[in-house]
Amino acid sequence: DAGITQSPRYKITETGRQVTLMCHQTWSHSYMFWYRQDLGHGLRLIYYSAAADITDKGEVPDGYVVSRSKTENFPLTLESATRSQTSVYFCASRRGSGQVDAGELFFGEGSRLTVL
Amino acid sequence: AQTVTQSQPEMSVQEAETVTLSCTYDTSESDYYLFWYKQPPSRQMILVIRQEAYKQQNATENRFSVNFQKAAKSFSLKISDSQLGDAAMYFCAYRSRETSGSRLTFGEGTQLTVNP
Repeated sequence: DAGITQSPRYKITETGRQVTLMCHQTWSHSYMFWYRQDLGHGLRLIYYSAAADITDKGEVPDGYVVSRSKTENFPLTLESATRSQTSVYFCASRRGSGQVDAGELFFGEGSRLTVL
Repeated sequence: AQTVTQSQPEMSVQEAETVTLSCTYDTSESDYYLFWYKQPPSRQMILVIRQEAYKQQNATENRFSVNFQKAAKSFSLKISDSQLGDAAMYFCAYRSRETSGSRLTFGEGTQLTVNP
């Protein structure tokens, strides 16, 4: 019962490098989300996806790219990392229409990214 | 756009005592979910309690209960008989039921300390 897993859990990179954070869920949930968590801001939505090949921007999408070629995977790419993207990143999923939806999101364990 | 506000960045409570965490939100919608999530030092986001706006009865889960005041747009969390394991960051969150693909909007969080 893996649920939702993120990798890597910790990553240190340098300014200007490309970084990809992976997210995989085993529940066949329709919706997947990427949030970033920063002190004083709670969790802010970067991107979300309603189904394979359907993605949309959240509150803070600049500097990030996502894709969803398969229902179970939702990678987040920082094409040219900046220091302001140092954060903890959470992937989450939830059921969609046609699935029993009690409302909540299910979260991965987070990925701590440091950009030097 | 919906907003969620947690006005207490930090709270503390003595073990076995009761503490109440505050949350207010702003929305023009009438059908929505409200949640409290707990984030211990492990970083894992754990659902504590859920409230559906159409239900007048306040949700309860063991030692955790809410005071949901729909007209006042207030959603406080009461923790009774506090335990050391309750020490964590607590996030209040809102999710619309009226728009498809709706995401969770989070407050900034309240750091709860439990003193022995």
